[in-house]
Amino acid sequence: NAGVTQTPKFQVLKTGQSMTLQCAQDMNHEYMSWYRQDPGMGLRLIHYSVGAGITDQGEVPNGYNVSRSTTEDFPLRLLSAAPSQTSVYFCASRGQAYNEQFFGPGTRLTVL
Amino acid sequence: DAKTTQPNSMESNEEEPVHLPCNHSTISGTDYIHWYRQLPSQGPEYVIHGLTSNVNNRMASLAIAEDRKSSTLILHRATLRDAAVYYCILRPSNNAGNMLTFGGGTRLMVKP
Repeated sequence: NAGVTQTPKFQVLKTGQSMTLQCAQDMNHEYMSWYRQDPGMGLRLIHYSVGAGITDQGEVPNGYNVSRSTTEDFPLRLLSAAPSQTSVYFCASRGQAYNEQFFGPGTRLTVL
Repeated sequence: DAKTTQPNSMESNEEEPVHLPCNHSTISGTDYIHWYRQLPSQGPEYVIHGLTSNVNNRMASLAIAEDRKSSTLILHRATLRDAAVYYCILRPSNNAGNMLTFGGGTRLMVKP
């Protein structure tokens, strides 16, 4: 199993640009989430999904959209990038019957 | 949401045991205690979790106070690879989503 994969690893955007961060998992997990981590801080939940077609907002959802058309994929869209969105983004997944969350390696995003 | 309090940092010598404390005085009866750790430049990884009883796995042990208002993560023999930020997290058992609320964690430094 590849686990949770994220692309790209690094990205630089200009203010106002849009982009999609990709996340995929091959463990058939129902739950998937997106977190952001600012320097020296813990992770904060952006959006999450409890299954295909079902998404909900986390702690810091503004400026981000998500969709979940398949069990495997959970992309995060930045609609109009702002410098405040400079951060490291982590995707995570968890099987419904399990307690352990699996995290991807992260995408480091810089918005100029 | 119930919060956790951890020391900002701790130091340990290699091959010695490490006791990482966590206070959660407002824990509810249905909250699980989870520990994750984050190695430098990586996503968090699951370490252990428990509800009321002490727990052991291949990575660590979790000692939970009888009143559940505090817990201690025990690494039996610290190695250099254990240098990481350790997060103590409370997860409600009725958490329908994938929500983990991360605090600041404890940065563990291991000296050779």
